[in-house]
Amino acid sequence: DTAVSQTPKYLVTQMGNDKSIKCEQNLGHDTMYWYKQDSKKFLKIMFSYNNKELIINETVPNRFSPKSPDKAHLNLHINSLELGDSAVYFCASSDATNEKLFFGSGTQLSVL
Amino acid sequence: GESVGLHLPTLSVQEGDNSIINCAYSNSASDYFIWYKQESGKGPQFIIDIRSNMDKRQGQRVTVLLNKTVKHLSLQIAATQPGDSAVYFCAEILPTNDYKLSFGAGTTVTVRA
Repeated sequence: DTAVSQTPKYLVTQMGNDKSIKCEQNLGHDTMYWYKQDSKKFLKIMFSYNNKELIINETVPNRFSPKSPDKAHLNLHINSLELGDSAVYFCASSDATNEKLFFGSGTQLSVL
Repeated sequence: GESVGLHLPTLSVQEGDNSIINCAYSNSASDYFIWYKQESGKGPQFIIDIRSNMDKRQGQRVTVLLNKTVKHLSLQIAATQPGDSAVYFCAEILPTNDYKLSFGAGTTVTVRA
């Protein structure tokens, strides 16, 4: 009964491949997010969806495309993976905008 | 143990001592602040929050202090335990409609037995 679950936990792939990370929350929250954490532990927001509608799209390459089929799911698809995409990606959700976020356990992406 | 000044990336604390983790936030208009704890291999976990109309809030073994004059936030952990070893982040939210929680650089706390 994990609140925010994301899969896979580890993803190792070659440069140029396309991969997806899935996220689901069972908290009934309206807002979901994707954050990227670099090797120095710095957390930066990438995207946010509120009720399936994109509300934040930071300066992220358009190789990254989020998709929210319903408000409980927010998936992240990445095309043409590059070495610099290697990081830990966290999904999160919140009950309302500008409220505390609940995070998933992260997906460690390694691009070789 | 205490991280003083704007920010120290690491803090070593003797078990049983009190810890103080400091954070300087960037925007004087920020009105909501949160402390998160991230253990190795896990996602950030909510610890405690505080709104800008307060200057102190207490939880279980933790206290957050907010000084809006100098844009400073601190997290105090009483009687630090080995399980408190983690990276701690402060985060702020601006009173706009962009729904962004902005994280500061984390402080890695190591508890010595």
